[in-house]
This record gives sequence, C-alpha cells and structure tokens, in this order.
Amino acid sequence: DSGVTQTPKHLITATGQRVTLRCSPRSGDLSVYWYQQSLDQGLQFLIQYYNGEERAKGNILERFSAQQFPDLHSELNLSSLELGDSALYFCASSSGQGDGYTFGSGTRLTVV
Amino acid sequence: EDQVTQSPEALRLQEGESSSLNCSYTVSGLRGLFWYRQDPGKGPEFLFTLYSAGEEKEKERLKATLTKKESFLHITAPKPEDSATYLCAVQEGNNDMRFGAGTRLTVKP
Repeated sequence: DSGVTQTPKHLITATGQRVTLRCSPRSGDLSVYWYQQSLDQGLQFLIQYYNGEERAKGNILERFSAQQFPDLHSELNLSSLELGDSALYFCASSSGQGDGYTFGSGTRLTVV
Repeated sequence: EDQVTQSPEALRLQEGESSSLNCSYTVSGLRGLFWYRQDPGKGPEFLFTLYSAGEEKEKERLKATLTKKESFLHITAPKPEDSATYLCAVQEGNNDMRFGAGTRLTVKP
C-alpha cells in the first residue's frame, strides 16, 4: 500500500457519459498529480494541484477537469467520454519538496 | 520535442545476465531525475532520485548513475522477479515530472 488511494479501481461506461475518479493523497502530501496511461502513449501528465490550487496543466482535454478539496483529496472529472479515453488514470502525491511522487494503484477506465 | 528518451524499448535477459538501461534527457535546468518500476496494471513504484551529474544510488541489484545528458540503470545478476517496465522521469525547475516511454525488461529463468 503506497498510501495514495484511488477509487474506483475499475470503471466501465458508455460513450458520451461522465465519470468522476477520486484520489486521496498520502498523509502530509499537499501536491496531487493526475496522469493518463494508455498503451500507445505511456504516462501523460494531466494536471497538478497544490493545497487546493491548480499549479500546472499538461495535456488535459477541455472535456476533463479536476479539483482538490480542503481535505486535500482530489477528483478528476471526465465528460463526453470517447472510446479513446479508455486508459489507466493514475493519481500521485508528493510533499512538494523535490522528492519523488508516490503513485496510487490507478483507475482503469473502459469506454464502450 | 521529447524531453526524455529511454532505450531499449524492450530487453530480454537470462537470469544472471547483467545489463544497463539508458535514459537520455534534454531539459536545461534539471531539478531531479527519477527512476520508477512499474508492474503490469499497477502504479509506478519509486526507486531512485538523482540530482546532479556524477551521483550514484544503489538498491539491491539496481544501480542508477547520472551524467549531464543521460542516466543509466544498471541491473546486476537479474532475477525473474526483476521483470517489469522501468520508467525514467525528469523534473525541470518547479515543473511537473515528465516520463519517458519506459523499458520493458523480461528476465528468463
């Protein structure tokens, strides 16, 4: 157990639908990062939050959004889902002091 | 422009056959270079952080080294349980961590 908790582990949904992925960071970590991993593209950075505020954006689609709540958990919202959105979505956290990230076990999203 | 390039894409070794994985990077203000291990369907597991050229770190059969342009992950006398995808990532300044595509290592008994 890495200390980063992601739910749900698996999600199957239809095209056009909206889903929410949830992440609880490791205790004491203020930064949360979201990554997408598909078979042909490796780990792609989506977005970072630090203590409730958006800190950095990567290759995140306009259909996707995220937020970090006062208790530091984060949610990634994916809407108008397409087949190509099927992937593993990872959340990671860090203390923000230049150390490595701790990853959760991911949410496998399948869009049918 | 790719910031992190890993080679080879895949590597098959016999148990006990030592080898090295390469990670080359093009960022200018390197804050840190990170190595992770990822098993299928699981999240990346942190292995090492290297901060400056000449730095080396070891953990069991793994040793990571860093130069100004690349890092190597040396695997000495690997075992089948070392089979995994090894990911390299770089952090430039205060920016987020960017990952390479990984090297898929298979160690045959």
